[in-house]
Amino acid sequence: DAGITQSPRHKVTETGTPVTLRCHQTENHRYMYWYRQDPGHGLRLIHYSYGVKDTDKGEVSDGYSVSRSKTEDFLLTLESATSSQTSVYFCAISDPDGGAKNIQYFGAGTRLSVL
Amino acid sequence: GQNIDQPTEMTATEGAIVQINCTYQTSGFNGLFWYQQHAGEAPTFLSYNVLDGLEEKGRFSSFLSRSKGYSYLLLKELQMKDSASYLCVGNTGRRALTFGSGTRLQVQP
Repeated sequence: DAGITQSPRHKVTETGTPVTLRCHQTENHRYMYWYRQDPGHGLRLIHYSYGVKDTDKGEVSDGYSVSRSKTEDFLLTLESATSSQTSVYFCAISDPDGGAKNIQYFGAGTRLSVL
Repeated sequence: GQNIDQPTEMTATEGAIVQINCTYQTSGFNGLFWYQQHAGEAPTFLSYNVLDGLEEKGRFSSFLSRSKGYSYLLLKELQMKDSASYLCVGNTGRRALTFGSGTRLQVQP
């Protein structure tokens, strides 16, 4: 999986609680991404990072925050989880500066249930 | 807009050829990816087209026509392990990708 580890792989939590998902890479890629995948939708971008402490919003960023204090780690936080955030979350990495393709490599995913 | 449209489901027979089509609005994409995603797993990269024409990679080929906003993925000599979702993905060139909803392919014996 291109040296990408997501943790936890599964989590069940209650509405209103904070949740942090972690993505760790060993590829030294500059770009990291968080997506969510829901039935009937393609993967939708939540936030991405283009370097340490450099992040930007995606199309579904409301209710989520991110942090990147080290190249290898990208954290996604749900400040106060809601049932609509029940989803599968994928982390991805890419190295677009190493070529024009911007191929993204994905972690195994985190299945989050908010009850 | 950058909508991507592809069929929701397709069924094909082991050993046959199947073509999965994808259409998109022509503005905004620098190229088109195809990813494969088995149920419960991560998407994995299959192919990338930036120029018009056919790119062949073993049993899989991908075609792009930028002027028509059209791409297809061709799978030959289908195997049972090819049962998966196939995602058509636009590269906006701004570090983000735009994903279609995916085509679920079922290969039958």
